[in-house]
Amino acid sequence: TQLLEQSPQFLSIQEGENLTVYCNSSSVFSSLQWYRQEPGEGPVLLVTVVTGGEVKKLKRLTFQFGDARKDSSLHITAAQPGDTGLYLCAGANTGGFKTIFGAGTRLFVKA
Amino acid sequence: DTGVSQDPRHKITKRGQNVTFRCDPISEHNRLYWYRQTLGQGPEFLTYFQNEAQLEKSRLLSDRFSAERPKGSFSTLEIQRTEQGDSAMYLCASSVRDSYGYTFGSGTRLTVV
Repeated sequence: TQLLEQSPQFLSIQEGENLTVYCNSSSVFSSLQWYRQEPGEGPVLLVTVVTGGEVKKLKRLTFQFGDARKDSSLHITAAQPGDTGLYLCAGANTGGFKTIFGAGTRLFVKA
Repeated sequence: DTGVSQDPRHKITKRGQNVTFRCDPISEHNRLYWYRQTLGQGPEFLTYFQNEAQLEKSRLLSDRFSAERPKGSFSTLEIQRTEQGDSAMYLCASSVRDSYGYTFGSGTRLTVV
């Protein structure tokens, strides 16, 4: 059974701080996605990474896919209160169906 | 493109009742997925359709659960004889074939009392 473990589970920081959240697995994935979810809403796709070692940037967010395609990280620079939410990583195999999700990292950014 | 729509947004039902949820995917997306999410957890895969064919079902999907996607458009998820353990957010998502990223709806929050 493929599992994705996210750490930390919860993170509370001050506005302006930097942070990194991690997503780890013992399994290899064809791709990995990061989503953000707000209370009472569905997850919203932030990025998909496909190639081992790939780095993608989305404004203040930097996503990295591990060389072995088993892990990923999300780094946020100068966090803002609007970054508050649940960050989910999700892994998919070839074909993209039956994506599995980690339990998420709940981020709270205080003004 | 109006996104993925789910109806209702909230449902409270008594234990033992049947409930049905509807999902309207993005029109050009041929894949549709159902996930369930409980508090403090990530979404768990339930089933997926490619066009009208249901291609995979999770072991989580007991015989009380059934999903359909007639004509490859909207989908319904029915839960018969609901139990308190069925209380969760039921999420629908859609994608084009071979796309890794999904577009999720806002979900249906089910509470079984």
